[in-house]
Amino acid sequence: QKEVEQDPGPLSVPEGAIVSLNCTYSNSAFQYFMWYRQYSRKGPELLMYTYSSGNKEDGRFTAQVDKSSKYISLFIRDSQPSDSATYLCAMSDYGNQFYFGTGTSLTVIP
Amino acid sequence: DTGVSQDPRHKITKRGQNVTFRCDPISEHNRLYWYRQTLGQGPEFLTYFQNEAQLEKSRLLSDRFSAERPKGSFSTLEIQRTEQGDSAMYLCASSLEGGTVHGYTFGSGTRLTVV
Repeated sequence: QKEVEQDPGPLSVPEGAIVSLNCTYSNSAFQYFMWYRQYSRKGPELLMYTYSSGNKEDGRFTAQVDKSSKYISLFIRDSQPSDSATYLCAMSDYGNQFYFGTGTSLTVIP
Repeated sequence: DTGVSQDPRHKITKRGQNVTFRCDPISEHNRLYWYRQTLGQGPEFLTYFQNEAQLEKSRLLSDRFSAERPKGSFSTLEIQRTEQGDSAMYLCASSLEGGTVHGYTFGSGTRLTVV
């Protein structure tokens, strides 16, 4: 079993929809949680980071962490075609590496 | 400084050849990381430097792989006797202290194709 599980999709939504992306994990030592966005043939770009249970909001993006369920989510409000990309969750314990999900491919249709 | 730079962007090599990739981190970042990403997968950790010291290596980093960061600035990743299974995107990232708390900045990667 992988330490981080993420539904690969693909996910296709109409412009303006609310998107929900999720990851589950098995290692209770994970303390730091990130979401990265990756466009085709580019490196991942950091969207949001958090290190506690609860919600964190940044513009149209909300990251949610539930440590008791080992479940994290990213919500995108008012989705735009420019949001079309692969979204990667990543998490870490107190070490120096991130453990990534496989990524969810999102397409926002105009 | 506009970010993490990686060179080359794409490398095609024949099986058995050696290849070397270069990464130039953000100048004030003392931590540098190498990850590998295969198609349809998330990045996997290979190794990490703090300044010039290589502090951690994944078991994915076989003895055919070697990484250096000689002056604590740019880094190189060399793969000897390449195999088809080495075909992947090699990503470099850098951060200040606390990279796993606040996240790090990735480069655009070097895509390796072994034929």
